[in-house]
Amino acid sequence: GQSLEQPSEVTAVEGAIVQINCTYQTSGFYGLSWYQQHDGGAPTFLSYNALDGLEETGRFSSFLSRSDSYGYLLLQELQMKDSASYFCAARNQAGTALIFGKGTTLSVSS
Amino acid sequence: DADVTQTPRNRITKTGKRIMLECSQTKGHDRMYWYRQDPGLGLRLIYYSFDVKDINKGEISDGYSVSRQAQAKFSLSLESAIPNQTALYFCATSDKQGTNTEAFFGQGTRLTVV
Repeated sequence: GQSLEQPSEVTAVEGAIVQINCTYQTSGFYGLSWYQQHDGGAPTFLSYNALDGLEETGRFSSFLSRSDSYGYLLLQELQMKDSASYFCAARNQAGTALIFGKGTTLSVSS
Repeated sequence: DADVTQTPRNRITKTGKRIMLECSQTKGHDRMYWYRQDPGLGLRLIYYSFDVKDINKGEISDGYSVSRQAQAKFSLSLESAIPNQTALYFCATSDKQGTNTEAFFGQGTRLTVV
């Protein structure tokens, strides 16, 4: 089967750095994506890694290691508005649709 | 206006009733998806479609059916709703070009089956 595992909850304070890990098990691999979802809202795309290494987009970075079947999302200079759920996602075995992890709820406190 | 529009946004229905959730998009994407979200379970794929003549089952298709009426429209039906289909439903689209599968989501339909 195909699965993506990530922690269910992470807490941090404003200004801190937090890392959300994702390990995956897939029959075919087409890259790892990250999505953000504020409470009850639409998930929105954050980043995509097709190759090993770090991709940086402002305060957010995403890392991939295909040999370890592992990736992470790094959020720096945390702000209250970063409180949300974060999902890692990968294509299904046929490469035709996105499969999501169960999500990590990030709570940022002052 | 939103690129991916779902109707209704909220719906309460009774057990055994047939209900249709509708999705339309203005992004010109060929690929459309229906996901279901339950607390602690993330987003689970119900059905997806690559064009009007293409329909594929996802992880949890039992109890659901879909119709791709046009490139821009993809509807999800519950033929006989049951309480454990109470969930938040999302429609999404993506472009067939490239390997990145950035998906664009609608605002969701909160369905309650009583």
